[in-house]
Amino acid sequence: AQKVTQAQTEISVVEKEDVTLDCVYETRDTTYYLFWYKQPPSGELVFLIRRNSFDEQNEISGRYSWNFQKSTSSFNFTITASQVVDSAVYFCALSDGNTGKLIFGQGTTLQVKP
Amino acid sequence: DTAVSQTPKYLVTQMGNDKSIKCEQNLGHDTMYWYKQDSKKFLKIMFSYNNKELIINETVPNRFSPKSPDKAHLNLHINSLELGDSAVYFCASSQDRGQFSEAFFGQGTRLTVV
Repeated sequence: AQKVTQAQTEISVVEKEDVTLDCVYETRDTTYYLFWYKQPPSGELVFLIRRNSFDEQNEISGRYSWNFQKSTSSFNFTITASQVVDSAVYFCALSDGNTGKLIFGQGTTLQVKP
Repeated sequence: DTAVSQTPKYLVTQMGNDKSIKCEQNLGHDTMYWYKQDSKKFLKIMFSYNNKELIINETVPNRFSPKSPDKAHLNLHINSLELGDSAVYFCASSQDRGQFSEAFFGQGTRLTVV
């Protein structure tokens, strides 16, 4: 069965700290895609990144970086020098290879304090 | 221009009523979805349509009926509303059937059944 686990329910950091959000997934598909979405307090879901299973290169976008490790079935997300505006719920998701539906993790609530 | 728009944003109604949520996307995508986010923030797919054809129906009660008049619209009708239907409902769209491309989400509709 396909599954995404975000073991950290809530994380609280002080501004400027680095923080890593963990994501572990299970799938039998040989080709699959992983995603991260951000849900700020306003409630919308904002797409952050997509990664396919054949591309294990780490990705960096400004203060955000992602570490995909197939060997450990993990797709972790690091925010460097966190800011108050990073406070949100972050979701990791896996796409089903047949139907395309997104299987979401439980979400990690990140609170960045000034 | 809003890519995926849902109306209404908030919906408060009494048990037993019938209500609809409308969704439109102007991205030219072929696939549209309804996801439900419960009070614990867990996101789960309900339905998916590809070019007006139902491709995912994820064990949702018959009281929920999606309707796709064309590929840019996917509405959700709910009959005989129950307290447990209270949740945030998200519409989304993606370019293909979702295996490869990211889904873009609407702002959500917060349904409260009293």
